[in-house]
Amino acid sequence: AQSVTQPDIHITVSEGASLELRCNYSYGATPYLFWYVQSPGQGLQLLLKYFSGDTLVQGIKGFEAEFKRSQSSFNLRKPSVHWSDAAEYFCAPDDRDDKIIFGKGTRLHILP
Amino acid sequence: DAGVIQSPRHEVTEMGQEVTLRCKPISGHDYLFWYRQTMMRGLELLIYFNNNVPIDDSGMPEDRFSAKMPNASFSTLKIQPSEPRDSAVYFCASNPGRPLSTDTQYFGPGTRLTVL
Repeated sequence: AQSVTQPDIHITVSEGASLELRCNYSYGATPYLFWYVQSPGQGLQLLLKYFSGDTLVQGIKGFEAEFKRSQSSFNLRKPSVHWSDAAEYFCAPDDRDDKIIFGKGTRLHILP
Repeated sequence: DAGVIQSPRHEVTEMGQEVTLRCKPISGHDYLFWYRQTMMRGLELLIYFNNNVPIDDSGMPEDRFSAKMPNASFSTLKIQPSEPRDSAVYFCASNPGRPLSTDTQYFGPGTRLTVL
């Protein structure tokens, strides 16, 4: 069965530090891959997406993600986090059949 | 464009009552999705429509849940009767159309439902 795993429920980093949020998926074929962010009390906003080609994808707000086929992973990174990055982040593979499945999310906390 | 509009933003009701959540998708979008988000289960797809027709309702938890899309600019998600375990944030999202995976889903702000 198709599945997506975000192994870290909570992550805490200091402002200015680098960040990596993990995402692993299990699909028969390589899905399209998305990362969304949800700020407190807000809806979801697309950060970036991967369809094919260059495995390093740039998104908004200084985020990037790298697709690694051999590891079935699509980890989200940012070189230097800002206090405004505190939010919940969702990895979402798309099985190319109209449906997107969301991971359970990783809540990011930022220390001043 | 105002984006996807959901109402109400917050709903508090008592167990057994009927609850109706409303969504207005972005004009011109052919797909509409209803999601539910809880701490335990994360974000779950409940049902989605294409051109006002329900395509996949396999995520609807039980018969107490129903969704309609009478026209291209309006959809409802109804829970009757409501139960405390239905408490969650319900999101509506719309999408311009196929190929789905190359288009972005646009999410509404969500409706926070609390069933006492």
